[in-house]
Amino acid sequence: DTGVSQDPRHKITKRGQNVTFRCDPISEHNRLYWYRQTLGQGPEFLTYFQNEAQLEKSRLLSDRFSAERPKGSFSTLEIQRTEQGDSAMYLCASSPYSGRNTGELFFGEGSRLTVL
Amino acid sequence: TQLLEQSPQFLSIQEGENLTVYCNSSSVFSSLQWYRQEPGEGPVLLVTVVTGGEVKKLKRLTFQFGDARKDSSLHITAAQPGDTGLYLCAGPRYNFNKFYFGSGTKLNVKP
Repeated sequence: DTGVSQDPRHKITKRGQNVTFRCDPISEHNRLYWYRQTLGQGPEFLTYFQNEAQLEKSRLLSDRFSAERPKGSFSTLEIQRTEQGDSAMYLCASSPYSGRNTGELFFGEGSRLTVL
Repeated sequence: TQLLEQSPQFLSIQEGENLTVYCNSSSVFSSLQWYRQEPGEGPVLLVTVVTGGEVKKLKRLTFQFGDARKDSSLHITAAQPGDTGLYLCAGPRYNFNKFYFGSGTKLNVKP
């Protein structure tokens, strides 16, 4: 399978704990995006990487959220001191960089977080 | 206020009916994408429209990009239960550092 993979698919944690999600993009894609989605809503942008550089971060994102893409391949999203409001589906998407730039996102299956 | 407004939010129809979903913005986009998402899964790309006035067909689905590249529509002919899902429109910021998504249209096609 050469699609975008995310791990874990489901995570249940207690309020105040830290959680980390991993995303492995399609190998030749150098653009990587993280989104958050609550039930029945559209995805909300969190952050964007081009290769290993984090070029965009949502102003809505609190300091408890951090993301990395150390070698320009896989990425991690960490949430510290989780709150019940963090419960959502966390989606990773990758996209190839090309001169044509019409923009298509390839999503993973998501990591569902439940904070008790 | 969302940059992309979708309507309707919910649609429940009988198998065989036609429907249209709208995606509107006050901003111009270089392209717009439509995705379909099933519960517990990530969105799956259906189509990208690039040129103003462009029409693309995918079997029973017809996608149109507005002449001014500010809006798009998705028309489904003779809907089937397999079309059930959340339909999302999305468009990139000029530098592709971000994609904006509509709030989605939840479609339920009853057999």
